[in-house]
Amino acid sequence: DAGITQSPRHKVTETGTPVTLRCHQTENHRYMYWYRQDPGHGLRLIHYSYGVKDTDKGEVSDGYSVSRSKTEDFLLTLESATSSQTSVYFCAIRGTEKYNEQFFGPGTRLTVL
Amino acid sequence: AQRVTQPEKLLSVFKGAPVELKCNYSYSGSPELFWYVQYSRQRLQLLLRHISRESIKGFTADLNKGETSFHLKKPFAQEEDSAMYYCALSDSWGKLQFGAGTQVVVTP
Repeated sequence: DAGITQSPRHKVTETGTPVTLRCHQTENHRYMYWYRQDPGHGLRLIHYSYGVKDTDKGEVSDGYSVSRSKTEDFLLTLESATSSQTSVYFCAIRGTEKYNEQFFGPGTRLTVL
Repeated sequence: AQRVTQPEKLLSVFKGAPVELKCNYSYSGSPELFWYVQYSRQRLQLLLRHISRESIKGFTADLNKGETSFHLKKPFAQEEDSAMYYCALSDSWGKLQFGAGTQVVVTP
């Protein structure tokens, strides 16, 4: 599992509340990614990081922010959650810098009521 | 624009029958393609990468640049192959673009 964990694994929250999801890795990988998984859309990239304090936007970044103050942690924040952000969120790391394959965490199921 | 298309949302096959999952892509550069598998409510697992041309769990996939395709094939489906399969394309920055996925159901 490439040493990737996500917390919490499940969360139910209300519209308008802030939510932070955590991705933690133990193998010192440089690149980390946040995706959301929705039926009919596959996985879509939200934000990614290419080093400590180095982040950039993905395809569906509106309403999300990220931070990476340590190599091992990549945080995804929903500043004010909306029902459209109900989804399963996956974190991933790039295994090597030679190939672009990624390895995924177990996912966080988020429900916004 | 970079795009990955998986035309089949659902593929239902009998155990022992061949299975082929279609994947077409559009990309202006040299593509790097992958197949991922997700068993029920689990994390995505890398199944194949086109660069290594290996066979995993009996699955193979060949990159056809002329047809811009990377179809996944297995000659004899097993019940444990029932899962969601995603085709993914990497850009030069290592960001993955996923297809919408194909749900495979193998019935005995």
